Amino acid sequence: AQKVTQAQTEISVVEKEDVTLDCVYETRDTTYYLFWYKQPPSGELVFLIRRNSFDEQNEISGRYSWNFQKSTSSFNFTITASQVVDSAVYFCALRSYKLSFGAGTTVTVRA
Amino acid sequence: GAGVSQSPSNKVTEKGKDVELRCDPISGHTALYWYRQRLGQGLEFLIYFQGNSAPDKSGLPSDRFSAERTGESVSTLTIQRTQQEDSAVYLCASSYGIQETQYFGPGTRLLVL
Repeated sequence: AQKVTQAQTEISVVEKEDVTLDCVYETRDTTYYLFWYKQPPSGELVFLIRRNSFDEQNEISGRYSWNFQKSTSSFNFTITASQVVDSAVYFCALRSYKLSFGAGTTVTVRA
Repeated sequence: GAGVSQSPSNKVTEKGKDVELRCDPISGHTALYWYRQRLGQGLEFLIYFQGNSAPDKSGLPSDRFSAERTGESVSTLTIQRTQQEDSAVYLCASSYGIQETQYFGPGTRLLVL
């Protein structure tokens, strides 16, 4: 069985604040992939990052950064200096034998 | 075409009618997936196709749901005798292979009255 848990349902911040989205996963497989997707109000899912289970290096892409910790089965996502355009629903996903999504975290960034 | 396209973008139908939703994957992508997203909820896997292999239908919620794919191109998701609980956004995604990153279409918003 596999499962993805995003405990935070909604997060609201003021522009320029940092936001960290939590993602905890469960799988019995040793080889798997983790993803983050963004779903803006327009509805289309936008791929942000993919990480395989053997690569625990943290990654930074502009204002986005990801912290993968296999020991705690977590793959957290941080937006630094948030902007209004970051307002969206963010989904964490796990792929081992199938792709499973978390329930999503709605991020609202207020000007 | 640069991305996954879906049609129609919106569909309103009456309870009991059949609907067909179409997905055009990214050219060259051998894997194609259908998901359902109810309002305010996460994605629910429905079915996926990989090349000429038998599709994985394990996510289809009932026998009213079916999908077909012609080769490695267009796919059609059919919902027969629609019910109000079928109202949702139906998302299609494609990837180079089942282990590769999935890229999503804009979805079809289905409303069953």
